[in-house]
Amino acid sequence: GEDVEQSLFLSVREGDSSVINCTYTDSSSTYLYWYKQEPGAGLQLLTYIFSNMDMKQDQRLTVLLNKKDKHLSLRIADTQTGDSAIYFCAAISPNFGNEKLTFGTGTRLTIIP
Amino acid sequence: AAGVIQSPRHLIKEKRETATLKCYPIPRHDTVYWYQQGPGQDPQFLISFYEKMQSDKGSIPDRFSAQQFSDYHSELNMSSLELGDSALYFCASSVSGGSYEQYFGPGTRLTVT
Repeated sequence: GEDVEQSLFLSVREGDSSVINCTYTDSSSTYLYWYKQEPGAGLQLLTYIFSNMDMKQDQRLTVLLNKKDKHLSLRIADTQTGDSAIYFCAAISPNFGNEKLTFGTGTRLTIIP
Repeated sequence: AAGVIQSPRHLIKEKRETATLKCYPIPRHDTVYWYQQGPGQDPQFLISFYEKMQSDKGSIPDRFSAQQFSDYHSELNMSSLELGDSALYFCASSVSGGSYEQYFGPGTRLTVT
């Protein structure tokens, strides 16, 4: 089955860019997602990328996909205190009846004032 | 915009009791997913339903059952609760096909004492 890995912690100064990395194992993963989870809260879908794309930009967020290396990254420009959260990447290999998300371990982003 | 609704938000039960968690998907979403997130863990897929039929099954204990009703809401029934069942239970919904974006509810925090 799919295995998704992330580094556990990242600390960034306010105003700098944050880059959160993720690797996955299943080359048939078609869609890759980034979710944000604040303490005690639910999972907020931030953005996603389809496997035939290399990059996707959405305001302060940039997703890069290296399909050959099975590596996904999320860049947050001009990081703010409100960006403090756990960020999960997730992968899906949709077949009819098999659309479950496999999540990474999550990266806790801490903003240094 | 309407989001996924889960109830109750918090639930405290004793060992061996039963619990029922409810999920109301986003209007016009036909697929519902249940995930379990233990403390400090990533969400793990339990079960999903498409058009009221079970579509996929993950690591769901036999003590748990779920269904999706004609109005597309779903219920997760948990019996013979164990201390290890204490977790956040998320429901997510999506529209079949397209980009398979799953939108999560706020979760139900279940504490078993």
